[in-house]
Amino acid sequence: GAGVSQSPRYKVAKRGQDVALRCDPISGHVSLFWYQQALGQGPEFLTYFQNEAQLDKSGLPSDRFFAERPEGSVSTLKIQRTQQEDSAVYLCASSPTGTNYEQYFGPGTRLTVT
Amino acid sequence: DQQVKQNSPSLSVQEGRISILNCDYTNSMFDYFLWYKKYPAEGPTFLISISSIKDKNEDGRFTVFLNKSAKHLSLHIVPSQPGDSAVYFCAASGGSGAGSYQLTFGKGTKLSVIP
Repeated sequence: GAGVSQSPRYKVAKRGQDVALRCDPISGHVSLFWYQQALGQGPEFLTYFQNEAQLDKSGLPSDRFFAERPEGSVSTLKIQRTQQEDSAVYLCASSPTGTNYEQYFGPGTRLTVT
Repeated sequence: DQQVKQNSPSLSVQEGRISILNCDYTNSMFDYFLWYKKYPAEGPTFLISISSIKDKNEDGRFTVFLNKSAKHLSLHIVPSQPGDSAVYFCAASGGSGAGSYQLTFGKGTKLSVIP
């Protein structure tokens, strides 16, 4: 079956612009995660959804970051008034369950803020 | 404070030989460990996992060993193939609350398998 897909794959934004990153998880997967990966680092947790409920947003770096999953499938990560430090790869992952199970990652969106 | 550490940024191995990638962790609440492989411009791909109730898990050419007392795990690839050249991430989860679903990753080890 299809894996996790993300769009766009690459995004260049001018500082101050708003961006929206989309994630289509594997069909039927209850759990959805967003991670941020800076250059030379491992992915870092941003937020977690179980169906449409956002159960954890503790990793979001600031209130400029907002994520939603209104119907329990597709998710959008929105970044308002982008800053240069937001430049990173944003990874989405899904899992049939939330806990102690492998998460399946999409290809990521590489965001560059100029 | 890095809770998952991969102290070798890179590793080169001859084709056909064994590759051993190491990972150390500090959080004693971690009880589930995973290895991911990542090619450039792609997302991490799940490779193999191990629960803390085991000390070894094998899947084809890949074996993960867990030493709980040393808080250390390793991934063995035998025999190594050029297609194994990638960045390998160690990840962990465990405990209650956020720890049970958040994956904490190391910084990765770049493996190069030389033909």
